[in-house]
Amino acid sequence: EIVLTQSPATLSLSPGERATLSCRASQSVSSYLAWYQQKPGQAPRLLIYDASNRATGIPARFSGSGSGTDFTLTISSLEPEDFAVYFCQQRSNWPLTFGQGTRLETK
Amino acid sequence: QVQLVQSGAEVKKPGASVKVSCKASGYIFTNYALHWARQAPGQRLEWMGWLYTGNGNTKYSQKFQGRVTITRDTSASTAYMELSSLRSEDTAVYYCARDRDHYMDVWGKGTTVTVSS
Repeated sequence: EIVLTQSPATLSLSPGERATLSCRASQSVSSYLAWYQQKPGQAPRLLIYDASNRATGIPARFSGSGSGTDFTLTISSLEPEDFAVYFCQQRSNWPLTFGQGTRLETK
Repeated sequence: QVQLVQSGAEVKKPGASVKVSCKASGYIFTNYALHWARQAPGQRLEWMGWLYTGNGNTKYSQKFQGRVTITRDTSASTAYMELSSLRSEDTAVYYCARDRDHYMDVWGKGTTVTVSS
């Protein structure tokens, strides 16, 4: 199965700063990668699909890039509500797999 | 609005089975497949299986093959995930999520299943 490795495990930033999160796949997933946000006690929310497409209602400050094995989620200017856990998911191969997550915390 | 409402928390003994429900509303149930995934404490999310709600076809992760059964009741717009032969390692939050091209665009809030003697 395809293993997704996210880095860093924790990212400490302040509101207004730019956040860059990474997801690396153990083999090529083409552009078949999504990003999700999860806040404590809440269900995950789909942010980005097919590497770079924003899901419905997702603000433009969230953007995704990459293909093959290396992917990036960028939040251009952090808002207070953006501090959460982010994880990636691939749909290139069965079984679907997820990254272990990056915790974005307030500095 | 579109939502998935899951059943409440469960506590089970090792060797028992658990059945978690996921009721869909706000959209046509049979127009979208559903996934089940789980997250054990401190672990990453783990995909368990997928249900094509239109005809009931399923696809399971090999890890859970033989222990998991995903079914649906279209008249109730509800999907079910049953996991048998429970062990302590099955303690986790179980989620259902609506399929969007094998991504997950709407999630339930999760059901905590605790396996303990």
